[in-house]
Amino acid sequence: GENVEQHPSTLSVQEGDSAVIKCTYSDSASNYFPWYKQELGKGPQLIIDIRSNVGEKKDQRIAVTLNKTAKHFSLHITETQPEDSAVYFCAASDVEGSARQLTFGSGTQLTVLP
Amino acid sequence: NAGVTQTPKFHILKIGQSMTLQCTQDMNHNYMYWYRQDPGMGLKLIYYSVGAGITDKGEVPNGYNVSRSTTEDFPLRLELAAPSQTSVYFCASEAGGSSYNEQFFGPGTRLTVL
Repeated sequence: GENVEQHPSTLSVQEGDSAVIKCTYSDSASNYFPWYKQELGKGPQLIIDIRSNVGEKKDQRIAVTLNKTAKHFSLHITETQPEDSAVYFCAASDVEGSARQLTFGSGTQLTVLP
Repeated sequence: NAGVTQTPKFHILKIGQSMTLQCTQDMNHNYMYWYRQDPGMGLKLIYYSVGAGITDKGEVPNGYNVSRSTTEDFPLRLELAAPSQTSVYFCASEAGGSSYNEQFFGPGTRLTVL
C-alpha cells in the first residue's frame, strides 16, 4: 500500500516569511495529491490539490509542486499570516474511478509568529 | 447547508461497552468515509461507502462496523470498546464520480475508552 512521509513535524516562521512543507510517497500509481489545513478542534479542510499530470499549481499565497520522478510534493505558503497557524496534512491517492482511499502524512504544526 | 455533521462531539466509553458514532451529510454526496486520527498522526481510513447499501473496509477496520441504509447517514459502530480505540473520529463525504473530487470533513468525535 501507499506510504506518505511528511516533514517537518513542526515549523515556526515569522509573519511575512515563507513556509515550505515536504512530502514523499511510495506508490508510483498515485495520481492525486491534496493538502488539508486543520484548525484546532475542527475537521481538515482542503486548501489546494494537484493531479499527477501537473507540475505546479498556485492559488494566491499557496502553491504546490509535484515531482513524479522523485515521488515528492511540497506546499509553499508565502507572506505568512497569523491565521495560517494550523496543522497541515498532505495526502496521496492511487485509486481511479471509485472511492478514493487517501493516505495521509503525519502532519506539520505551523506556527506563524507575529 | 450544514455540510457534514457528527454526534456526539465528545464521549467517554468503558472497556467492553459499545456505541455508535453518527454522521450525516446534506450535500447528496454518494461517497462517505470514516477516519480515525491518533495524536501526532495523520488520518487513517476505517471504512468507506460508495452509495447506499455498499460499504468496504479501509486500512484499519478491526473493531468497527458500518452501515449505509440512506445516502445521508453513515453510522460507525464500535463493539466491545478497547483502549486502543481512543482517538478522534472524522466522517467525510465526497460527491463521487471522479477521482479528483474534494472530501468534506465533519468536526470530529473525540472518544476516550477507559
